[in-house]
Amino acid sequence: DAGVIQSPRHEVTEMGQEVTLRCKPISGHDYLFWYRQTMMRGLELLIYFNNNVPIDDSGMPEDRFSAKMPNASFSTLKIQPSEPRDSAVYFCASSPDSGSNEQFFGPGTRLTVL
Amino acid sequence: GIQVEQSPPDLILQEGANSTLRCNFSDSVNNLQWFHQNPWGQLINLFYIPSGTKQNGRLSATTVATERYSLLYISSSQTTDSGVYFCAVITTDSWGKLQFGAGTQVVVTP
Repeated sequence: DAGVIQSPRHEVTEMGQEVTLRCKPISGHDYLFWYRQTMMRGLELLIYFNNNVPIDDSGMPEDRFSAKMPNASFSTLKIQPSEPRDSAVYFCASSPDSGSNEQFFGPGTRLTVL
Repeated sequence: GIQVEQSPPDLILQEGANSTLRCNFSDSVNNLQWFHQNPWGQLINLFYIPSGTKQNGRLSATTVATERYSLLYISSSQTTDSGVYFCAVITTDSWGKLQFGAGTQVVVTP
């Protein structure tokens, strides 16, 4: 299996621009998670989906952030408008719907907002 | 919410040395994972170990759920073991929310 795929790997944008991060989970996994990693806050969960339905978005920092999962093999995390404090590494992870809820992470997208 | 504490925060090892990393958590969990974040930023799954003992090559892990701690052992360390080691847990009442510790930064010198 190819593992969790994220794109782009690096994104540099200017404040006020829209940013879209993309994720393809591992085939057959029913859960998809978006995490953010910063020096100040470490790794934190933003939102997760089960069978394409958002289950918990309590970690989404504010209305500028939105996430969608139109089908089982694709999800997006959008920031509009972006701000310098959004600079971070954004990880996508997926997990099978089984007794084990082990999560597998993608390579991450390093976002820099100037 | 649950507290996840990792120790030590930093560790410098000479190649070939052994080490033990610790993870304490403050509530019952049904998932505990150890990750290695390499210098390129990738999060590598090491162990899924909500209880018991597992071994994978030079690495092994033990979780004592009743006493709320987990240990990661690195034997005969190599420079490629450098990076940050994270412990992450999911509590029984918050499915899906992996709560990460602050990590242990490991540097293995030749």
